[in-house]
Amino acid sequence: GAVVSQHPSWVICKSGTSVKIECRSLDFQATTMFWYRQFPKQSLMLMATSNEGSKATYEQGVEKDKFLINHASLTLSTLTVTSAHPEDSSFYICSAREDYTDTQYFGPGTRLTVL
Amino acid sequence: QKEVEQNSGPLSVPEGAIASLNCTYSDRGSQSFFWYRQYSGKSPELIMFIYSNGDKEDGRFTAQLNKASQYVSLLIRDSQPSDSATYLCAVNHNAGNMLTFGGGTRLMVKP
Repeated sequence: GAVVSQHPSWVICKSGTSVKIECRSLDFQATTMFWYRQFPKQSLMLMATSNEGSKATYEQGVEKDKFLINHASLTLSTLTVTSAHPEDSSFYICSAREDYTDTQYFGPGTRLTVL
Repeated sequence: QKEVEQNSGPLSVPEGAIASLNCTYSDRGSQSFFWYRQYSGKSPELIMFIYSNGDKEDGRFTAQLNKASQYVSLLIRDSQPSDSATYLCAVNHNAGNMLTFGGGTRLMVKP
């Protein structure tokens, strides 16, 4: 089956630092990847849609200068949380869409804690 | 606004029973439908997808789609305590577009 990896699995950082999260589709090509955020006991919230070779599309209310997305290849998208603050602490999950079936496969998530 | 609705639950069923999870969607033009399972603290994992009206079976899981009534359901036969999780319904309104997720239904299977 289709596998999506994320790295790191968890990260703790100091307020004001930047954190990069990688999302890779391991056995399929993904023209489009998605980044979600999920707070405890809440639903998935789509942050942005990442398209290979073009600028990401951000959802309303998501600061594009704070959450930098790069989709440099058909198997890799990165999310950088710049100048992180404690309110950015959350569970960040990426998904990759398998082009033939339009099915999204999720990575295991990255738990970010900002002190 | 395209919406996907699910009863948040919790839906409690005894072990061995059939669990029935329902989802309705607002956009009649929706083309593909997905069920994901999410354990607490974990990311969603795909259970199955369905494109055509009718039933689709995969092991203990059966997805049912009725486009005329705009609902999709997931049946879990012989429910096990390990099936206790939140089940997310997701709808793709047009090919190539993002999925719209329902809020999820929390299922509890009691031994």
